[in-house]
Amino acid sequence: KQEVTQIPAALSVPEGENLVLNCSFTDSAIYNLQWFRQDPGKGLTSLLLIQSSQREQTSGRLNASLDKSSGRSTLYIAASQPGDSATYLCAVSPRGSTLGRLYFGRGTQLTVWP
Amino acid sequence: DVKVTQSSRYLVKRTGEKVFLECVQDMDHENMFWYRQDPGLGLRLIYFSYDVKMKEKGDIPEGYSVSREKKERFSLILESASTNQTSMYLCASSLGTSDWDEQFFGPGTRLTVL
Repeated sequence: KQEVTQIPAALSVPEGENLVLNCSFTDSAIYNLQWFRQDPGKGLTSLLLIQSSQREQTSGRLNASLDKSSGRSTLYIAASQPGDSATYLCAVSPRGSTLGRLYFGRGTQLTVWP
Repeated sequence: DVKVTQSSRYLVKRTGEKVFLECVQDMDHENMFWYRQDPGLGLRLIYFSYDVKMKEKGDIPEGYSVSREKKERFSLILESASTNQTSMYLCASSLGTSDWDEQFFGPGTRLTVL
């Protein structure tokens, strides 16, 4: 069974810092990896999706990379802002799984202070 | 944009009550999913569906059932609610053309069982 781990569990940084969130998964046979953002008490917002054939995806100040062979992904946030404060979740869709079901990490809780 | 809506943001029920959580998507997606999210445990898949009247158990189906009578609507049913079913419930949908389709999430229903 696929297991997904996110490190660190929590991160607190001053505004303006560049930061990296880490995600690792145990089985490298995946269809894709998604990064989500979750604000307190809210649902999940998809940030980036990386297909297994891709190495990275970018959206604005966010860049996600995927190293399938080592079972790792990183989410890079440039010039962090207080509005980036949220929990960031990564999820993988293992090959052979029904309907592309997702396995989630437990998230990194990010706080960006002014 | 894909829109996934859930019938209630907050719900309070009593032990033993029958509870219905409704999810509707407006993009003609084939696949729909129900997850629950608990602190320290992350998101866990309860049930999913790949077509009208078709359903499959996820990782934690005990105490739950589902109904999909129409393509756009997927209902989660707690036959006899218990306090350990107090949780955040998240619905998601995906297109269904491939096993690597992106999943889109609703805003969540926070259920409290007293």
